[in-house]
Amino acid sequence: GAVVSQHPSWVICKSGTSVKIECRSLDFQATTMFWYRQFPKQSLMLMATSNEGSKATYEQGVEKDKFLINHASLTLSTLTVTSAHPEDSSFYICSARDWASYEQYFGPGTRLTVT
Amino acid sequence: QKEVEQDPGPLSVPEGAIVSLNCTYSNSAFQYFMWYRQYSRKGPELLMYTYSSGNKEDGRFTAQVDKSSKYISLFIRDSQPSDSATYLCAMSGSTDKLIFGTGTRLQVFP
Repeated sequence: GAVVSQHPSWVICKSGTSVKIECRSLDFQATTMFWYRQFPKQSLMLMATSNEGSKATYEQGVEKDKFLINHASLTLSTLTVTSAHPEDSSFYICSARDWASYEQYFGPGTRLTVT
Repeated sequence: QKEVEQDPGPLSVPEGAIVSLNCTYSNSAFQYFMWYRQYSRKGPELLMYTYSSGNKEDGRFTAQVDKSSKYISLFIRDSQPSDSATYLCAMSGSTDKLIFGTGTRLQVFP
């Protein structure tokens, strides 16, 4: 089956610093990738849609200058949390849409803790 | 009213039971319906994907979609302790954007 990886799986950073999370589709090409965040015992909330070679589309209420998304190739999208604060601590999950089947596959998630 | 409603559970059943998980939705434009399984601290795993109304079966899993009632179901036969997880329904219309339910936590005890 299709595999999506995320790196790192877990990161702790200090308040005010920036953190970059990578999302890769390993065995398929993804023209579209999605970034979600998930708080404990809650569902996934879509943050933004990332299209290869163009600007990301952010959901209402998501600060585009704080959550920088780059989709530089058909297999890689990155999310950078800039000037992180403790309230940014969450589980960040990406998904990638297989351009051939249109199915979405999720990465294993990245747990961010900001101290 | 949320676009997708799902009972959060928890749902606790004995091994071997048939499990029924359900979601209702309000947006008649939804055409694609999915069920994901999520283990604790892991990303969701796609279980079933259906388009429009009807049934789809895959091993012990059966997905049903009733667009007239705006109601979808996932049935798990012969449930196993390894099925213990959170099950998320998700749906989309003409765009790629998935709308998720809150997830139902299932526990299958031996």
